[in-house]
Amino acid sequence: QVQLQESGPGLVKPSETLSLTCSVSGGSITTYYWSWIRQPPGKGLEWVGYIYNNGNTNYNPSLKSRVTISVDTSKNQLSLNLISVTAADTAVYFCARVFCSSSSCYGFDYWGQGTLVTVSS
Amino acid sequence: QSALTQPASVSGSPGQSITISCTGSSSDVGGFNYVSWYQQHTGKPPELMIYDVSNRPSGVSNRFSGSKSGNTASLTISGLQAEDEADYYCSSYTSSSTLVFGGGTKLTVL
Repeated sequence: QVQLQESGPGLVKPSETLSLTCSVSGGSITTYYWSWIRQPPGKGLEWVGYIYNNGNTNYNPSLKSRVTISVDTSKNQLSLNLISVTAADTAVYFCARVFCSSSSCYGFDYWGQGTLVTVSS
Repeated sequence: QSALTQPASVSGSPGQSITISCTGSSSDVGGFNYVSWYQQHTGKPPELMIYDVSNRPSGVSNRFSGSKSGNTASLTISGLQAEDEADYYCSSYTSSSTLVFGGGTKLTVL
C-alpha cells in the first residue's frame, strides 16, 4: 500500500523560503509522476505543480517564478521549495501521486495527510 | 488560469440524487476529456472519485457517475447517503499543459 507523508516547518517568516518533503513508502518514486497541491484554510484546492519520472516539471503559472519541485530517488522523497513567501502562501500542503489511466495522467490517487504551513512573522 | 466554476453548495435527502456542475472553457473542460472529481471530508485529504470525465477508480461506489457536455462537467451522486456529506472538487487539464481545480461544492445531506 502506497503511503505519503509530508514534513517540514509549520511556520515560515515572510520573504523566506518554504521547504517541504514528502516521504513515499510502499513503492518506488521513480515509477510514477508526483504533484503538490495546496489548500488555504477554509478554501479550495490549488494545483502547485507536477514532476514527471524523467525529472521534467510543470508548474502553476501563478507560482512558476517561485516554486521548485524535485525528487531524491535515493531517499524516495519528493520536495517542494517556494521562495519569497507571503501570508497568501499559508495553506495545507499535500503531496500526491499522479494516477495514470490508459489515456491520461491527470488525476491523483494517493495523497498525504497534508501539512499546515503558516507564513507569519 | 481561472478556477473552474462550481456551485458553493448543494443539498439532498437520503436516497435522492444530486448533480454538481463544473463549468470551464474550451481551453480546459470543453477541450479535453480529462476531468476528475474528488471528495474531501473535513480534515482529510481528497479522494479521487472520477477520472477522465466518467471513469471510476477501483473501489469507488457506482452511485457516483460523471459526464460532460460542452464546457460543463457534472458529478451525479445517486441514492444519497449520510456519508456522502463532504466537499467535492472538480479538476481539468488545460491547453497550457497545467491543471486547474474548481472552487469546491459543499454537499449537505438533509
